[in-house]
Amino acid sequence: AQSVTQLDSHVSVSEGTPVLLRCNYSSSYSPSLFWYVQHPNKGLQLLLKYTSAATLVKGINGFEAEFKKSETSFHLTKPSAHMSDAAEYFCVVSLMFSGGYNKLIFGAGTRLAVHP
Amino acid sequence: EAGVVQSPRYKIIEKKQPVAFWCNPISGHNTLYWYLQNLGQGPELLIRYENEEAVDDSQLPKDRFSAERLKGVDSTLKIQPAELGDSAVYLCASSRQGSENNEQFFGPGTRLTVL
Repeated sequence: AQSVTQLDSHVSVSEGTPVLLRCNYSSSYSPSLFWYVQHPNKGLQLLLKYTSAATLVKGINGFEAEFKKSETSFHLTKPSAHMSDAAEYFCVVSLMFSGGYNKLIFGAGTRLAVHP
Repeated sequence: EAGVVQSPRYKIIEKKQPVAFWCNPISGHNTLYWYLQNLGQGPELLIRYENEEAVDDSQLPKDRFSAERLKGVDSTLKIQPAELGDSAVYLCASSRQGSENNEQFFGPGTRLTVL
């Protein structure tokens, strides 16, 4: 069965320092993996996605994630945090069905706080 | 391009009352999803529509929840009667079949509080 585990429910960093949000996945086949961000009172926004191409995936707003099959991990990183990065982040694995439909399975989320 | 529109954004009701949420997907998106997001958790799929057909409603509690998408465009999710445990955010998303990875675009959600 496909699932994701976000290892930290809360992460707090200072502005300008690196961000690391950890995610481990479980999948019986090569998965598609996503990171979504949710700002307060706004819809979920896709940050980046991995679909079996390059293992290092670059997303919007300077975020990137590396797919490591040996570690079943897909951690999200950013070299330098900005105040506007404060939000809830979700790691997501997809279940593929016939007809091209992918069912999204969300992790529990990691709340990122950025301090001045 | 307008995103997924949901209304109302907030709703407060007393238990045992009915409530309805409305969603208008992105124009041209034939697939529509309703998700439930409990506090401190990730969204969970309730129902998925392909055009006007509900093709995956296995997670929808059918004793009190219902949904419709009569013309294959906008959709309504209803709860009758509401219970205290229904307090959550209800998210709507849409995607276009055949697009890259069928990316889902999410609305801002409706936050329901049941008193």
